[in-house]
Amino acid sequence: SQTIHQWPATLVQPVGSPLSLECTVEGTSNPNLYWYRQAAGRGLQLLFYSVGIGQISSEVPQNLSASRPQDRQFILSSKKLLLSDSGFYLCAWSSPRQEKSYEQYFGPGTRLTVT
Amino acid sequence: DAKTTQPNSMESNEEEPVHLPCNHSTISGTDYIHWYRQLPSQGPEYVIHGLTSNVNNRMASLAIAEDRKSSTLILHRATLRDAAVYYCILSPNYGGSQGNLIFGKGTKLSVKP
Repeated sequence: SQTIHQWPATLVQPVGSPLSLECTVEGTSNPNLYWYRQAAGRGLQLLFYSVGIGQISSEVPQNLSASRPQDRQFILSSKKLLLSDSGFYLCAWSSPRQEKSYEQYFGPGTRLTVT
Repeated sequence: DAKTTQPNSMESNEEEPVHLPCNHSTISGTDYIHWYRQLPSQGPEYVIHGLTSNVNNRMASLAIAEDRKSSTLILHRATLRDAAVYYCILSPNYGGSQGNLIFGKGTKLSVKP
């Protein structure tokens, strides 16, 4: 069966510090991968998605970036965090098959607090 | 992207059926209707999806209006574990495989014992 991992589970970082959040998927090949953010009291916002190694699409311009160095690894990064980057970060995967691509499976999330 | 409209919140009693409405009057002919739910402090969970016909699975049923401008997610017997935010989302089926979902604010369902 497929599983998705995210770490760390919680993170407190000062403004201006770098960020690296990691997501890995097991039990599937060539998945679509997604990064979402949920700010306090708000809905989920799609940040990045990837349909393959090295292929990243950004949905919202910001000081975050994403990379996919391996088929089942997705990394969210920032060189300098802002207060507004605080939130609940979720990674998700879906099958690359068109008819299943909208059936997404989410990881446990990382709660980031920028101080 | 086609938008959906859902009530901000609903209440239900435990072990009673719950009907969660969603309006999507600008839906196009190839848009699928998806439902996800998010329990507190967790990531969203896929519930069900459909195109034109009503759909059933182990979690819920999806009733789609004949004109497809609205749909209803039906939980047949609400439990306390069903308390969550329920999202109704439309997705285009234009041949892309990236599966981008656009989450709105959803309906916060409270279940009373």
